[in-house]
Amino acid sequence: EVHLVESGGGLVQPGGSLRLSCAASGFTFSSSWMSWVRQAPGKGLEWVANIKQDGGEEYYADSVKGRFTVSRDNAKNSLYLQMNSLSADDTAVYYCVRDGRRECSRAACYYDYWGQGTLVTVSS
Amino acid sequence: DIPMTQSPSTLSASVGDRVTITCRASESVSSWLAWYQQKPGKAPKLLIYKTSSLETGVPSRFSGSGSGTEFTLTISSLQPDDFATYYCQQYDSYYRTFGQGTKVEIK
Repeated sequence: EVHLVESGGGLVQPGGSLRLSCAASGFTFSSSWMSWVRQAPGKGLEWVANIKQDGGEEYYADSVKGRFTVSRDNAKNSLYLQMNSLSADDTAVYYCVRDGRRECSRAACYYDYWGQGTLVTVSS
Repeated sequence: DIPMTQSPSTLSASVGDRVTITCRASESVSSWLAWYQQKPGKAPKLLIYKTSSLETGVPSRFSGSGSGTEFTLTISSLQPDDFATYYCQQYDSYYRTFGQGTKVEIK
């Protein structure tokens, strides 16, 4: 059974940094594109970043480009999100998600498994 | 990016009702459209991918249709477990975008 468990969320001051982690199990992690998706309190879903199986390609939403960095360690079955220069607009639940494997477009895929999420609160 | 617009934003319905949610893309996304269900305090759950393909384990009362810029999610007979918020998502572009969500409430 696929499991994705996020950690590292918490309260951080504006301008601060935080590193999120996601521990994956139940599937061949090194074979999957992985993504981060966030949801501000009471709001909708927003794709944040994704990374190719070997870490050789990364993509970012405009709202986080230059501030966030996605990475992975396939030996540890782990996904990471380094978040710098945080602002109140980054307050959200951050989900670790696995990209689907069937019927994907040439550019991207849907998300077939989601973690339970970790809350990041940016406030002074 | 490709903005996605869902309608209605909120829908009040009764158990047994047929429910339809519409999702419109600002440009064609071909058939690369997924639907998710989210309950309060929980992560979203994949229901449908590539417009009409039902994810394993999802009840057959859920169905999807459409192509290009207009898509629908239909629940043929609403059940108590279906009261939730539903999101569409396009994945034609690497810059994946979601609709704003449709909350299905008890009438």
